[in-house]
Amino acid sequence: GQQVMQIPQYQHVQEGEDFTTYCNSSTTLSNIQWYKQRPGGHPVFLIQLVKSGEVKKQKRLTFQFGEAKKNSSLHITATQTTDVGTYFCAGSPSGKSTFGDGTTLTVKP
Amino acid sequence: SQTIHQWPATLVQPVGSPLSLECTVEGTSNPNLYWYRQAAGRGLQLLFYSVGIGQISSEVPQNLSASRPQDRQFILSSKKLLLSDSGFYLCAWSVGGGVTDTQYFGPGTRLTVL
Repeated sequence: GQQVMQIPQYQHVQEGEDFTTYCNSSTTLSNIQWYKQRPGGHPVFLIQLVKSGEVKKQKRLTFQFGEAKKNSSLHITATQTTDVGTYFCAGSPSGKSTFGDGTTLTVKP
Repeated sequence: SQTIHQWPATLVQPVGSPLSLECTVEGTSNPNLYWYRQAAGRGLQLLFYSVGIGQISSEVPQNLSASRPQDRQFILSSKKLLLSDSGFYLCAWSVGGGVTDTQYFGPGTRLTVL
């Protein structure tokens, strides 16, 4: 079946450093979504990418969808303590999505 | 606007006891509904999903079951809980299928089985 892999599993950064998490699929995806889960909270939808090579930005967050639509990345510029949490990607070849295991980000002030 | 409710928020149950978790969605019709379980510090494991009333697909064989008695109500049940059933249970909804499959999660239920 389809698998969605995320790396790294954990990332510890100093406040102000950049952070990137990567998502890779074994199959071509029709779209990919990114979610953020704060400690103790539930996943919250951030963004969806649909087109090959698509790049979207939300303030300090940059999301990319690979040309082959099999991988994606989330990059945070100049992390802040409010960025802590687990970031999940979810890929959908068709219909329901498959979630990666997430990357947990901790930020030292 | 759409909202999703889950209750209870937290639950402590003894091994062997029954379970019933409820999820309801407001503000949308015929949503796809999902139950996930998240172990501490882990990812999301899809347990069940439903595309309509009475239509349930099971992703993982286990002692849990799900039912959808109404369009916007999704229930997760167990007749006898196991220790391994402890976790954070999340309900989610989405509309349609195909390209648009963004899921919106409820606040979750933290279940501890002792």
